[in-house]
Amino acid sequence: DTAVSQTPKYLVTQMGNDKSIKCEQNLGHDTMYWYKQDSKKFLKIMFSYNNKELIINETVPNRFSPKSPDKAHLNLHINSLELGDSAVYFCASSQRKGRGQETQYFGPGTRLLVL
Amino acid sequence: GESVGLHLPTLSVQEGDNSIINCAYSNSASDYFIWYKQESGKGPQFIIDIRSNMDKRQGQRVTVLLNKTVKHLSLQIAATQPGDSAVYFCAEREGSSNTGKLIFGQGTTLQVKP
Repeated sequence: DTAVSQTPKYLVTQMGNDKSIKCEQNLGHDTMYWYKQDSKKFLKIMFSYNNKELIINETVPNRFSPKSPDKAHLNLHINSLELGDSAVYFCASSQRKGRGQETQYFGPGTRLLVL
Repeated sequence: GESVGLHLPTLSVQEGDNSIINCAYSNSASDYFIWYKQESGKGPQFIIDIRSNMDKRQGQRVTVLLNKTVKHLSLQIAATQPGDSAVYFCAEREGSSNTGKLIFGQGTTLQVKP
């Protein structure tokens, strides 16, 4: 009964491979996010979807492609993985309810290591 | 540009003492602020939030103070416990944003000594 879940928890892969990370939330929220946390713990937003519509698209290489099949799911596909993609990727969700009132709930993270 | 930062990367306190974690932000248009706690190997967990029309908000053992004049945010933890050991992040949301975008600070590691 985890609120925001991600799979896999760990992902070790070779440079150049293509991989996907999946996220699901059972909170009934309408907005989902992907964040990247680097080795210095810095958290940066990558993408956000509201009701399956892309609303935040930060300066991210186009090797990263999010996809939201429905409001409860937001996946992240990464093509041609590079060493610098190694990080922890967090999914989060929130319910839009007026400006400045949304708490984002985070998943447990996916630890990606590119060799 | 926007930036949210924390004054100290690591804070070490004795169990039972009060902890104060500070955060400075640069965007005067930000109207909503949040503190998150991240334990090792886990995702950030919501602690407390505050809107810009308030200067203080209290939760259970935690208090957030907002000083818009100097663009400063602090998190006070009363009677710090070993379970409070974690990395603490402040985050801000720009007032004109309708996307829910949060900008996170770099985090302060709180170490609680028994």
